[in-house]
Amino acid sequence: ETGVTQTPRHLVMGMTNKKSLKCEQHLGHNAMYWYKQSAKKPLELMFVYNFKEQTENNSVPSRFSPECPNSSHLFLHLHTLQPEDSALYLCASSQDFSWTSGEREQFFGPGTRLTVL
Amino acid sequence: GESVGLHLPTLSVQEGDNSIINCAYSNSASDYFIWYKQESGKGPQFIIDIRSNMDKRQGQRVTVLLNKTVKHLSLQIAATQPGDSAVYFCAEFLANAGGTSYGKLTFGQGTILTVHP
Repeated sequence: ETGVTQTPRHLVMGMTNKKSLKCEQHLGHNAMYWYKQSAKKPLELMFVYNFKEQTENNSVPSRFSPECPNSSHLFLHLHTLQPEDSALYLCASSQDFSWTSGEREQFFGPGTRLTVL
Repeated sequence: GESVGLHLPTLSVQEGDNSIINCAYSNSASDYFIWYKQESGKGPQFIIDIRSNMDKRQGQRVTVLLNKTVKHLSLQIAATQPGDSAVYFCAEFLANAGGTSYGKLTFGQGTILTVHP
């Protein structure tokens, strides 16, 4: 166990559905991340929150909407997704998002396997 | 364009042998590099990182070598064990000096390491 949990582990949804992915970290970290992992593409960073503030949005379509109510919880709200959005969605956390510090190590959750029909 | 790529998609070794996983990168301005391990059904796990001003860093049974002349990164695993079987990713980070972004993290596609007992 890495201290980062994700629910649900598997999700199947239609293109008209609205669903949310949840991530929770029990490590006292201040930075949290959403990644997308597809079968044919490298791991892609989607969003970064540092101290509950969004600091990165790597050109992610608006059908993905993140929410970070506190430093321990991170959500990814999904609506009107496309079949190509099917992937493993990974959450990670780190002490902070300061790449010049020594606290760069990110701890990943097990991911949510999303299938869009 | 900027990219991080792996030379070999698969690597098979015998238990007890040393493993070497390679990674090529194209952005000479990257600030540092990270290796991750991902076991089946789990999220990536940080292994080791190295700053761009270093050429070697050692951890427990692992060594990362950075050759900036040829833009090459390698991960050496000593006395490889069956538990080392996983997908290994390299990633490079480019800090965004003077900008509003914290930087860009780019992942390679991964190498599948299989250790035979």
